[in-house]
Amino acid sequence: GAGVSQSPSNKVTEKGKDVELRCDPISGHTALYWYRQRLGQGLEFLIYFQGNSAPDKSGLPSDRFSAERTGESVSTLTIQRTQQEDSAVYLCASSLTRDTEAFFGQGTRLTVV
Amino acid sequence: DQQVKQNSPSLSVQEGRISILNCDYTNSMFDYFLWYKKYPAEGPTFLISISSIKDKNEDGRFTVFLNKSAKHLSLHIVPSQPGDSAVYFCAANRGGSNYKLTFGKGTLLTVNP
Repeated sequence: GAGVSQSPSNKVTEKGKDVELRCDPISGHTALYWYRQRLGQGLEFLIYFQGNSAPDKSGLPSDRFSAERTGESVSTLTIQRTQQEDSAVYLCASSLTRDTEAFFGQGTRLTVV
Repeated sequence: DQQVKQNSPSLSVQEGRISILNCDYTNSMFDYFLWYKKYPAEGPTFLISISSIKDKNEDGRFTVFLNKSAKHLSLHIVPSQPGDSAVYFCAANRGGSNYKLTFGKGTLLTVNP
């Protein structure tokens, strides 16, 4: 597609369950980023991929969070044993390189009940 | 500790007038600043940026001013249009790239016809 695509758009899950969020970046973009936005807050950086490797995972809030990227394309963000404080909009962005404009997807709204 | 602050949660202006959105930062290592615009249910889209070697950057109706000594930047929209109604995020980084941006909480701009 023409833009960054994220799925699902909305996800409601029970506390303690695992969730997987998917990001399809713009074709040819080598850099991929995950951010999250909790209610009333700004976007928080989670992780950066260059190709299939993640040189910066410093924003992941706990070891319940992990992410991978395959084929220099699709990325999945996995949250294990979800907690209510994980409720947020999770945004993925991609760019040609880390120094060029980042294009964001529409986000996945995660609600943990 | 918030390193990028947007102290006005909302701003309302009349169509045709100037909109001024403000942003303050605390990290003196930041040298690259961006403004993003976000409509409901969409991801943020890049609007305009400025490097710390400049104090002004203009793109059509949008101008960003940077005051390094005050650690303050502002976005001016002239003339404001109803389609400009959105949440505006200020973001900052060091190294002049789009990687690992630090965002403010955003300001909701409403332009009244």
